[in-house]
Amino acid sequence: EDQVTQSPEALRLQEGESSSLNCSYTVSGLRGLFWYRQDPGKGPEFLFTLYSAGEEKEKERLKATLTKKESFLHITAPKPEDSATYLCAVQGAGNNRKLIWGLGTSLAVNP
Amino acid sequence: DAGVIQSPRHEVTEMGQEVTLRCKPISGHDYLFWYRQTMMRGLELLIYFNNNVPIDDSGMPEDRFSAKMPNASFSTLKIQPSEPRDSAVYFCASSPPRGAVSRETQYFGPGTRLLVL
Repeated sequence: EDQVTQSPEALRLQEGESSSLNCSYTVSGLRGLFWYRQDPGKGPEFLFTLYSAGEEKEKERLKATLTKKESFLHITAPKPEDSATYLCAVQGAGNNRKLIWGLGTSLAVNP
Repeated sequence: DAGVIQSPRHEVTEMGQEVTLRCKPISGHDYLFWYRQTMMRGLELLIYFNNNVPIDDSGMPEDRFSAKMPNASFSTLKIQPSEPRDSAVYFCASSPPRGAVSRETQYFGPGTRLLVL
């Protein structure tokens, strides 16, 4: 069964303290792994799509990487505005557009 | 550009009442998704459409839930009768057609916060 597990559930950092969020997945034929950011009271906002092991993508202080079993979202020198819940989702093989979602990591960055 | 539009943003109703949630996808997108989000279960896909046709409704919890997409710019999710356990945030998302840039990306609306008393 396709499954996504995110860790840790919650993370508190000081401003400037770099860290990584983990997304472990089990899926039949990965077609894509997606990272989203969700602020309180809002819908998820798309960040990255990764398609194959070894791929990396960057956006400002965020860098996403992918292996055959997991993805990491590295946050370099975070700022308070990076505080949010970060969601990971995977799409398996076939023509189905269905995404399997993790429960997310709640990140708080203190000034 | 206008994103995905959902209405109402908040809904409070009593058990047994009918609830209708509305969604307008991004213009040009031909996939539309309905999700439910709770703290315990996270984001759950309820149903999705392609070109107004339901493709996968395996996530619809039971017969009390129904969804329609009468045209490319409008969809509804209806709960009848509503129950307290239906309280959650309901999101609509849309994505571009095959061949488009970022074709697999889903773009979410702001959600409808439903409370059933």
